[in-house]
Amino acid sequence: KAGVTQTPRYLIKTRGQQVTLSCSPISGHRSVSWYQQTPGQGLQFLFEYFSETQRNKGNFPGRFSGRQFSNSRSEMNVSTLELGDSALYLCASSFGTGVHNEQFFGPGTRLTVL
Amino acid sequence: KNEVEQSPQNLTAQEGEFITINCSYSVGISALHWLQQHPGGGIVSLFMLSSGKKKHGRLIATINIQEKHSSLHITASHPRDSAVYICAVGVHRGEDRDDKIIFGKGTRLHILP
Repeated sequence: KAGVTQTPRYLIKTRGQQVTLSCSPISGHRSVSWYQQTPGQGLQFLFEYFSETQRNKGNFPGRFSGRQFSNSRSEMNVSTLELGDSALYLCASSFGTGVHNEQFFGPGTRLTVL
Repeated sequence: KNEVEQSPQNLTAQEGEFITINCSYSVGISALHWLQQHPGGGIVSLFMLSSGKKKHGRLIATINIQEKHSSLHITASHPRDSAVYICAVGVHRGEDRDDKIIFGKGTRLHILP
């Protein structure tokens, strides 16, 4: 089976722009979770989508949003980028909900905001 | 105080040594995850456990629900085990509230040849 893929792998944006990141889960997995990793805060949970519905959400502002398509592929959008949004964004897929099941991580998208 | 605490933060050991990384948490959990992150960012799930003990190769994970504590052990450590090890807990918050997953800050392990 192919693993979790994320595109793009690297991205440079400027403050105020918006960005869309994509995640393709392992075939058959219905859950996609998104995480932000920074040197200061470590890994933080953004949100989880399961069967096209947002199931769980972390403590991030509304500028961070996502969606999931019928083929389980997911996108994450960040609007009005801030310097502090520079981070590694990881997605992970699982068969059941990610909080309570083994997750398989993608390689991440490294976002730099200038 | 963080809800998930790991110790030590950094660990350097000689090849062949027995390694223990600890994780303590202060919330009720549905599952505990041990993750490995290599330089470059890729994360691999090592274990998910809710009770007892699991073993995979040279890695052993244990959890004590009453004491809210888990340990990850590496036997016969090797330089390729050098990575950041992250503990994470899944928290079920009830039907009307979102579940969440909380991460520890990680333990940076360096195994010298």
